[in-house]
Amino acid sequence: DAGVIQSPRHEVTEMGQEVTLRCKPISGHNSLFWYRQTMMRGLELLIYFNNNVPIDDSGMPEDRFSAKMPNASFSTLKIQPSEPRDSAVYFCASSFGQGRTNEKLFFGSGTQLSVL
Amino acid sequence: QKEVEQDPGPLSVPEGAIVSLNCTYSNSAFQYFMWYRQYSRKGPELLMYTYSSGNKEDGRFTAQVDKSSKYISLFIRDSQPSDSATYLCAMGFNNDMRFGAGTRLTVKP
Repeated sequence: DAGVIQSPRHEVTEMGQEVTLRCKPISGHNSLFWYRQTMMRGLELLIYFNNNVPIDDSGMPEDRFSAKMPNASFSTLKIQPSEPRDSAVYFCASSFGQGRTNEKLFFGSGTQLSVL
Repeated sequence: QKEVEQDPGPLSVPEGAIVSLNCTYSNSAFQYFMWYRQYSRKGPELLMYTYSSGNKEDGRFTAQVDKSSKYISLFIRDSQPSDSATYLCAMGFNNDMRFGAGTRLTVKP
């Protein structure tokens, strides 16, 4: 079975550019989560969806960040414009349940983002 | 003070040793407790899930929760080089979950 698939694995961009991260959740899962991991702040929840509907976006740092889930098999996280402090590993995770953060999460391998 | 405190290590042990990983927390409302393992350049994977206080065992892994002390532990018996990873605790209540910073463990052959 394919797990959660994220692309790209690595992204290097210049400050001010738009960045789009992509995620394909596990087939049949109905909840999708975007996390960011840094040495300083650890793993932080940015936003999550249940049945394609955003449930909680209170973790999104600012208006430069946006996320969409147009269908059950695809989600994007967009940063526009990007800044060096956005450099981090971004993880997508999916689960089957009621869209609660305490469900068993299956994580992708992450996108390592570097903003120069 | 952070809600969840976890010593980042690194922790290095010889193969076969018993490993003890710990987290403390400040929010007495936390009800569920998890341990995730994260290999280098990979996403976290769930190892153990416990609800409320008590012990849970799964093979070489044992999770303990002491709510009175606000302290949780993960024990690894007969540690193997393949256990080398970062271990993150996670805990929460209702729909609010927090991760610890993670402890990096190396098991040397």
